[in-house]
Amino acid sequence: DTAVSQTPKYLVTQMGNDKSIKCEQNLGHDTMYWYKQDSKKFLKIMFSYNNKELIINETVPNRFSPKSPDKAHLNLHINSLELGDSAVYFCASSQLAGGVTDTQYFGPGTRLTVL
Amino acid sequence: DAKTTQPTSMDCAEGRAANLPCNHSTISGNEYVYWYRQIHSQGPQYIIHGLKNNETNEMASLIITEDRKSSTLILPHATLRDTAVYYCIVRVATDNDMRFGAGTRLTVKP
Repeated sequence: DTAVSQTPKYLVTQMGNDKSIKCEQNLGHDTMYWYKQDSKKFLKIMFSYNNKELIINETVPNRFSPKSPDKAHLNLHINSLELGDSAVYFCASSQLAGGVTDTQYFGPGTRLTVL
Repeated sequence: DAKTTQPTSMDCAEGRAANLPCNHSTISGNEYVYWYRQIHSQGPQYIIHGLKNNETNEMASLIITEDRKSSTLILPHATLRDTAVYYCIVRVATDNDMRFGAGTRLTVKP
């Protein structure tokens, strides 16, 4: 009964391909996020979704697009993959869109390798 | 534009207390101090957070100085499984943006 799950765990693909990473949370949270952790291990937020509305977009290229079919899912679609997209991508969720008790719970990560 | 400064790495003996410092000298009055950790190949895990009072939960204690310019995360009895990178983050409670720095790599040794 993993709280935040991601699939796949590993993804190896060629430059120029289009790929998707799926995320699901069973915590009943209202907000979900995508983070990117690069080779230097810095975690940077990419997107957050609250009630199907995008509320943060941290200057991420428009090749990346989050899609939320329902409150429990936030998938990340990436078009025309580039070498620099290689990283570990983490999904997270929180109860509210901010707030003192708004703790974010993270998934296990998806390691994307672009060849 | 890092808001926090942490030592790059620390060692701790198993069973002893691990004290991880964090400097946040530019913290604003409405910013909280959060601690997360990331065990190798896993997602970040929430540990504790506080505003100005010391806090304790089942995982750790958070000691915040009176001027709020620094804090210390205390793992009272470190185990080998506590080996991880520990991140100190300051953020406004209503801000969704969690900006992770480089963190402190804690190694618990037998």
